[in-house]
Amino acid sequence: QSVLTQPPSASGTPGQRVTISCSGSSSNIGSYTVNWFQQLPGTAPKLLIYSNNQRPSGVPDRFSGSKSGTSASLAISGLQSEDEADYYCAAWDGSLNGHVFGTGTKVTVL
Amino acid sequence: EVQLLESGGGLVQPGGSLRLSCAASGFTFSTYDMSWVRQAPGKGLEWVSSINRSGRTTFHADSVKGRFTISRDTSKNTLYLQMNGLRGEDTAVYYCATIWDYWGQGALVTVSS
Repeated sequence: QSVLTQPPSASGTPGQRVTISCSGSSSNIGSYTVNWFQQLPGTAPKLLIYSNNQRPSGVPDRFSGSKSGTSASLAISGLQSEDEADYYCAAWDGSLNGHVFGTGTKVTVL
Repeated sequence: EVQLLESGGGLVQPGGSLRLSCAASGFTFSTYDMSWVRQAPGKGLEWVSSINRSGRTTFHADSVKGRFTISRDTSKNTLYLQMNGLRGEDTAVYYCATIWDYWGQGALVTVSS
């Protein structure tokens, strides 16, 4: 029962820009920073974006994050075949007193 | 090199108990808050529990509250998850992670008779 809602799927051709939304509420995204994770098939999740729009060392600048109100977005520009993966948003929820993850979005490179 | 190595997973009957361990190396374990996150087969990520760096503050998801307990031993650089009263819906790969730079490879827990 995820409290952060993402579209189940997104797709694009190589080189295109893909955007993934993450919708929450005032108790999570509206009050706390958002993180994004990439999970390649059969592997552990990897931190992609932290504090709404910051990239850890080693993450290509093709990945960018933003937040507005109770929603956040992840954009992948210059889509590449190796970007085919599941993507999750996450934030702290002050009402639940715990972390919450998004429902996940499967990105397909056509 | 940062490493988080989970162990202790396996097959357990409903109502049974299991303790997961996560051995940390390559970073200063005592300075990181830690978490457990699980993923049921074919499903998304679900946060399970978190513990602060001192070990004095813990949080658990409602789905495991009263049944699971997170703890840490800084002298051993190890994170634990004690799981009691296991149910079929607890079947998942359990990942230990810092919040959220580093992740382990996961340990499979299967609850079935």
